[in-house]
Amino acid sequence: EAQVTQNPRYLITVTGKKLTVTCSQNMNHEYMSWYRQDPGLGLRQIYYSMNVEVTDKGDVPEGYKVSRKEKRNFPLILESPSPNQTSLYFCASSLSRGSYNEQFFGPGTRLTVL
Amino acid sequence: GNSVTQMEGPVTLSEEAFLTINCTYTATGYPSLFWYVQYPGEGLQLLLKATKADDKGSNKGFEATYRKETTSFHLEKGSVQVSDSAVYFCALSDDLDQGAQKLVFGQGTRLTINP
Repeated sequence: EAQVTQNPRYLITVTGKKLTVTCSQNMNHEYMSWYRQDPGLGLRQIYYSMNVEVTDKGDVPEGYKVSRKEKRNFPLILESPSPNQTSLYFCASSLSRGSYNEQFFGPGTRLTVL
Repeated sequence: GNSVTQMEGPVTLSEEAFLTINCTYTATGYPSLFWYVQYPGEGLQLLLKATKADDKGSNKGFEATYRKETTSFHLEKGSVQVSDSAVYFCALSDDLDQGAQKLVFGQGTRLTINP
């Protein structure tokens, strides 16, 4: 089944404790992206990647890192999480660059930073 | 920069009622427009899309027409069902925005359908 998977689905952590949220897609998509969803703000892009070893900042990159060593994986790293990073996070992928392409979303990771 | 404004919710309707969720956009280029739906506890799924002016996207009884003259992409359905209860997001994607495909979302509209 074609899908985007994320782990973990739920995470409660404390300020300053490094964490990684994994994202994997099995559709051989070139383009991958991370968004965060906050009430009243919709989804905002954190980082994106147009292919292996090519990543760039989105609208809200502060406090986050990403890597794209393999085409299928795009982990999101929080080196020193803070409470303002409490949010619902979504990974997405699409076949290639092109504004007309549908993006496929993972199920989300709900992160709480105490 | 690009932006999307959609009707504030929550919206509560009775089953078989007519639905409209308004969406307007601002874009510097020629964006593609999307409606995504988020069912409780799930990720977003594409509901429909339109890639150029006057295109109509449709799926599952929902429709939206890309109106360049009014910069709008309103979502409509003639007869809603309880199973349509979800959060609906209007979004645009523009290749000219930072040279990469990025979805810009509206804030979402929560729809509840009562039997």
